[in-house]
Amino acid sequence: EAGVTQFPSHSVIEKGQTVTLRCDPISGHDNLYWYRRVMGKEIKFLLHFVKESKQDESGMPNNRFLAERTGGTYSTLKVQPAELEDSGVYFCASSQDGLLNSPLHFGNGTRLTVT
Amino acid sequence: AQSVTQLGSHVSVSEGALVLLRCNYSSSVPPYLFWYVQYPNQGLQLLLKYTSAATLVKGINGFEAEFKKSETSFHLTKPSAHMSDAAEYFCAALPYNTDKLIFGTGTRLQVFP
Repeated sequence: EAGVTQFPSHSVIEKGQTVTLRCDPISGHDNLYWYRRVMGKEIKFLLHFVKESKQDESGMPNNRFLAERTGGTYSTLKVQPAELEDSGVYFCASSQDGLLNSPLHFGNGTRLTVT
Repeated sequence: AQSVTQLGSHVSVSEGALVLLRCNYSSSVPPYLFWYVQYPNQGLQLLLKYTSAATLVKGINGFEAEFKKSETSFHLTKPSAHMSDAAEYFCAALPYNTDKLIFGTGTRLQVFP
């Protein structure tokens, strides 16, 4: 079974540019989550999809961030325009059911550097 | 609001020594609790979880954690460290009625021969 895949693995962009991160969850997993870790700090929740619907987007920092999950399969997270404080590692994770009933599988993350 | 505190951003032990990684949660109602491990260039993997059954939880790779309500703690231990245990460890809490994990800042474990 293929795991959660994220790409790119690294992205370096200039302030003001746009970046789109992609996540392919494990096939059949309805729940998809985005988390972010800013350097040296805790991993923070961004949002949660159930199929194609946003279940909880309370962690999205501001309206420069847009997440989509068309068709309930892969998801994209777009940052436009990027700011310096957006640098960090963006993790995607998926689970079949809720977090108590099934394990959460993480991707390897996308390291975003905004210069 | 719920928070998770991991004391010690770096812990170093000798191979064969006891591993103790500390985690405290802040909540009047104990949440569900998890430990994750991240090896270099990999995603996070679940080590173990506490879901209000047994207070002593056994996980993979010989790790275990004990839930202590009186101390609001969920410390991770392993009797004998192995070189392959070198990684970053994250404690996380899942408050009731949410599907949103709250992580600590992580503890990087180094194991010396």
